Amino acid sequence: DAGVTQSPTHLIKTRGQHVTLRCSPISGHKSVSWYQQVLGQGPQFIFQYYEKEERGRGNFPDRFSARQFPNYSSELNVNALLLGDSALYLCASSLGPLEKLFFGSGTQLSVL
Amino acid sequence: DQQVKQNSPSLSVQEGRISILNCDYTNSMFDYFLWYKKYPAEGPTFLISISSIKDKNEDGRFTVFLNKSAKHLSLHIVPSQPGDSAVYFCAASAGSGGGADGLTFGKGTHLIIQP
Repeated sequence: DAGVTQSPTHLIKTRGQHVTLRCSPISGHKSVSWYQQVLGQGPQFIFQYYEKEERGRGNFPDRFSARQFPNYSSELNVNALLLGDSALYLCASSLGPLEKLFFGSGTQLSVL
Repeated sequence: DQQVKQNSPSLSVQEGRISILNCDYTNSMFDYFLWYKKYPAEGPTFLISISSIKDKNEDGRFTVFLNKSAKHLSLHIVPSQPGDSAVYFCAASAGSGGGADGLTFGKGTHLIIQP
């Protein structure tokens, strides 16, 4: 069975640009969460989506947005990129919003 | 302000011995605690969890202990094996999967198992 898949695996952008990261959950999972992991830190919660609706949002600016599609896949969008947005972006899926999270391998974003 | 703290950035243990990883938390609303293991270039993998109504949970070589009054939990690995070398994250939430507030992670402890 396929796990959580994320694309792309690596991405290089310049300041001010926009980026879209994609995530496909484990089959049957209806909830997707996004986390940001800066080097040397633990993952930090960005969003949770369940049944295509935003169920939770962490302490991130409005430049960060996300959505979940009818097939439960998800996109994370970041506008007006800053150097500090350089991080590993992790997607996790779960059966429901309070169920155990299964993480993908992440997208490594570098902002130059 | 860090709500989940792992004060040891790294820990070196000999193969076959016990590894003890520690974690402290400050938020009294947390009622579910998890340990994740992370290898380089992979996402975190769930290891073991414990609800606040328990003080111990065991799964094979892994045992998690929770001391609510001290707001402290620890992960014991016995015996330690070379494949246990990884970064271990402690995480907490006010619900088993994080819910609307997500999981709050510590900074991680890099466990190195020496042959």
